[in-house]
Amino acid sequence: DVKVTQSSRYLVKRTGEKVFLECVQDMDHENMFWYRQDPGLGLRLIYFSYDVKMKEKGDIPEGYSVSREKKERFSLILESASTNQTSMYLCASSFSGPSTDTQYFGPGTRLTVL
Amino acid sequence: QKEVEQDPGPLSVPEGAIVSLNCTYSNSAFQYFMWYRQYSRKGPELLMYTYSSGNKEDGRFTAQVDKSSKYISLFIRDSQPSDSATYLCAMSGGSNYKLTFGKGTLLTVNP
Repeated sequence: DVKVTQSSRYLVKRTGEKVFLECVQDMDHENMFWYRQDPGLGLRLIYFSYDVKMKEKGDIPEGYSVSREKKERFSLILESASTNQTSMYLCASSFSGPSTDTQYFGPGTRLTVL
Repeated sequence: QKEVEQDPGPLSVPEGAIVSLNCTYSNSAFQYFMWYRQYSRKGPELLMYTYSSGNKEDGRFTAQVDKSSKYISLFIRDSQPSDSATYLCAMSGGSNYKLTFGKGTLLTVNP
């Protein structure tokens, strides 16, 4: 079974703090993704990575950065947390290739910024 | 026009009912179609995966794709309270790794 784990299930931070969210997958997937999910807005892609040290902006990258130093690990960084970044953050991974776009998700991190 | 449209519901049905969940899309390049189930406060889990048009069955679940109408469906037979969740459709053209998701339909199956 594919397993995607996220470092925290619940996180509470203060405005202006630097926040690190970590994701690890154990299936040797090339692609990894960070989404946020908000009521009424659905899943929105923040960043994705198709290889180690490679990254591409998704639909809403402002206020976020990412790091992928190892194939199995993809980190999302909130440089200076703001209250509008309170959300559910979901990490996903997938194999590379035209018929293997299926993404496997982690359990999510519910971040609250006070 | 949004790329993927999905009725958010909520949809409430009695136990044992047949449930029909649907998405429409506008991008004719989409050829890979998925349904995810997401329980409250959990991550989405893959339920069904289909390629191009046609039907796929897995137990009580059937996924249908009609590319000519740009319409996909998920049918749940003999629905159970444990099926209560948000169902997300997702699709891709297979060339840029990314999936396009619907916003999800909240389903409640009442005992």
